[in-house]
Amino acid sequence: ETGVTQSPTHLIKTRGQQVTLRCSSQSGHNTVSWYQQALGQGPQFIFQYYREEENGRGNFPPRFSGLQFPNYSSELNVNALELDDSALYLCASSLDLAGVGGELFFGEGSRLTVL
Amino acid sequence: GESVGLHLPTLSVQEGDNSIINCAYSNSASDYFIWYKQESGKGPQFIIDIRSNMDKRQGQRVTVLLNKTVKHLSLQIAATQPGDSAVYFCAENGGNTGKLIFGQGTTLQVKP
Repeated sequence: ETGVTQSPTHLIKTRGQQVTLRCSSQSGHNTVSWYQQALGQGPQFIFQYYREEENGRGNFPPRFSGLQFPNYSSELNVNALELDDSALYLCASSLDLAGVGGELFFGEGSRLTVL
Repeated sequence: GESVGLHLPTLSVQEGDNSIINCAYSNSASDYFIWYKQESGKGPQFIIDIRSNMDKRQGQRVTVLLNKTVKHLSLQIAATQPGDSAVYFCAENGGNTGKLIFGQGTTLQVKP
């Protein structure tokens, strides 16, 4: 158990719909990162939030957006869903920035299927 | 471009043997590396990390070796157990960019 919780664990959407995924970070962690993991692939960095501000973004279109709240929990929103958005979405929390002083603690992920 | 690659997609070992999982990275600016274990249906789990000012680090039954000259990273697991069966990912920090760059993963299968 990492203390990082994600919801929902599984969901099915259709093309064009919108989805919101939620993450509660480990107690005391102020940084949340989101990763997309397609089947059989390694996780791909989407973006990171540090103290409620976006701090770095990967190669994902603007329809992927996020928020971090004062309690450091976070949301990932994806608009206009496409079939290729089907993946496991992982949230990871850390104290300060990943790679700087600590490891990431991953949640179990939200499995999104787009039909 | 950035890439972190694994030399073999699947590694099959006998229970009790030692396992070695390899990884090549391409970003010379990376100075922090992590190995993760991911079991089916779960998120990646931290195993061990190493900074670029070291070439070896040991944990419980695991050792990470870093060769910066050839940009190579390896994970050694001693006395491999069935519970070690999982996908293993190496990751690099791309030079303190705030993100981790993951490889494709190696599946470790442990035969009883």
